[in-house]
Amino acid sequence: GDSVTQMEGPVTLSEEAFLTINCTYTATGYPSLFWYVQYPGEGLQLLLKATKADDKGSNKGFEATYRKETTSFHLEKGSVQVSDSAVYFCALINTGTASKLTFGTGTRLQVTL
Amino acid sequence: SAVISQKPSRDICQRGTSLTIQCQVDSQVTMMFWYRQQPGQSLTLIATANQGSEATYESGFVIDKFPISRPNLTFSTLTVSNMSPEDSSIYLCSVRSGNYNEQFFGPGTRLTVL
Repeated sequence: GDSVTQMEGPVTLSEEAFLTINCTYTATGYPSLFWYVQYPGEGLQLLLKATKADDKGSNKGFEATYRKETTSFHLEKGSVQVSDSAVYFCALINTGTASKLTFGTGTRLQVTL
Repeated sequence: SAVISQKPSRDICQRGTSLTIQCQVDSQVTMMFWYRQQPGQSLTLIATANQGSEATYESGFVIDKFPISRPNLTFSTLTVSNMSPEDSSIYLCSVRSGNYNEQFFGPGTRLTVL
């Protein structure tokens, strides 16, 4: 079945550091890929998406590129802020199956001054 | 994007009681989902609720424990029945909309069972 694997956290960075959170997936067909963010005490927000190979999703300074050859969708940001501290979830929907959203385990990011 | 609200936002309940969580969406949607997020964990799909049909439950979840109603295209309820401390979790409502299978989540209901 479909699956998503994320790097384990927590990830601790200083403000203005470069961020990478790795995400790889296993799926048949051509899934759509997503990053969600969950700030402390809140629900999930859709951060960005990519629907086909080589698409780049971007939002709020975050970017991720859909790499079919490496089945990856790594999240990057050039300069993190304290306000980026949250849990980040990689996810996919495979339109070839019952359209269920499959999540990774989440990666906690802590940004310090 | 869809705007989703949930009630209550949090509750503390006694063992053996039941709690009904409400989910309201600002637009008509076909597919609504209920998820559970246990402390420090990722999200687990409980069931899919489509208007006019019985909810479809995932493995490990049963209707007697988590009855769901879907009376119209903008509203759903999830009941957590005969609660135990193991039911302490965040329960999230979610809807699918848009052209790219985008899925949006409510703010969640934080449930603590004593």
